[in-house]
Amino acid sequence: DSGVTQTPKHLITATGQRVTLRCSPRSGDLSVYWYQQSLDQGLQFLIQYYNGEERAKGNILERFSAQQFPDLHSELNLSSLELGDSALYFCASSVYSASGEQFFGPGTRLTVL
Amino acid sequence: AQTVTQSQPEMSVQEAETVTLSCTYDTSENNYYLFWYKQPPSRQMILVIRQEAYKQQNATENRFSVNFQKAAKSFSLKISDSQLGDTAMYFCAYSGGSNYKLTFGKGTLLTVNP
Repeated sequence: DSGVTQTPKHLITATGQRVTLRCSPRSGDLSVYWYQQSLDQGLQFLIQYYNGEERAKGNILERFSAQQFPDLHSELNLSSLELGDSALYFCASSVYSASGEQFFGPGTRLTVL
Repeated sequence: AQTVTQSQPEMSVQEAETVTLSCTYDTSENNYYLFWYKQPPSRQMILVIRQEAYKQQNATENRFSVNFQKAAKSFSLKISDSQLGDTAMYFCAYSGGSNYKLTFGKGTLLTVNP
């Protein structure tokens, strides 16, 4: 158990819908990263937050957004969902903004029908 | 941009034997980290081993060790005394630059046969 929690574990929804994925980092970790794992794209970095502020953006679509709250949990919002958004979404946390080691949550499996 | 290449999509090894997984990377940074993550069928991402680029000594964690060749930008993982529980997808990852996001290779599926 990494200490990072993600909810829900599974999510099935329809095209055009909006969903919210939630992540709670390890106790004491200020930095949260979101990654997407799909068959065709592999593991890709989406976005990073550090102590409530956005620090870096990767290959995140405009239909996707995220935020980190004062209690340090983070939410990833996916809207106008398409079939291609079906993937495993991971949250990872680390102590610092620039820290090598990241600890991953169990992931949220999103299926868009 | 940093890239990570794993040239072996699949490998297999007999239980108790030793196997080496290859990884090369490209970066212009001098300070960075390299990792091997394991993803078993449960899909959980598990950190196996970590190497800091400024350290010349190769990292070791029990049966897992790395061969880090900084000049060649090579970072291979050696698994000794392979066990059935080592069956998993293994990802090589790079972290460095301005935000330390992880850049992953495409992975190597390792199967340990009894």
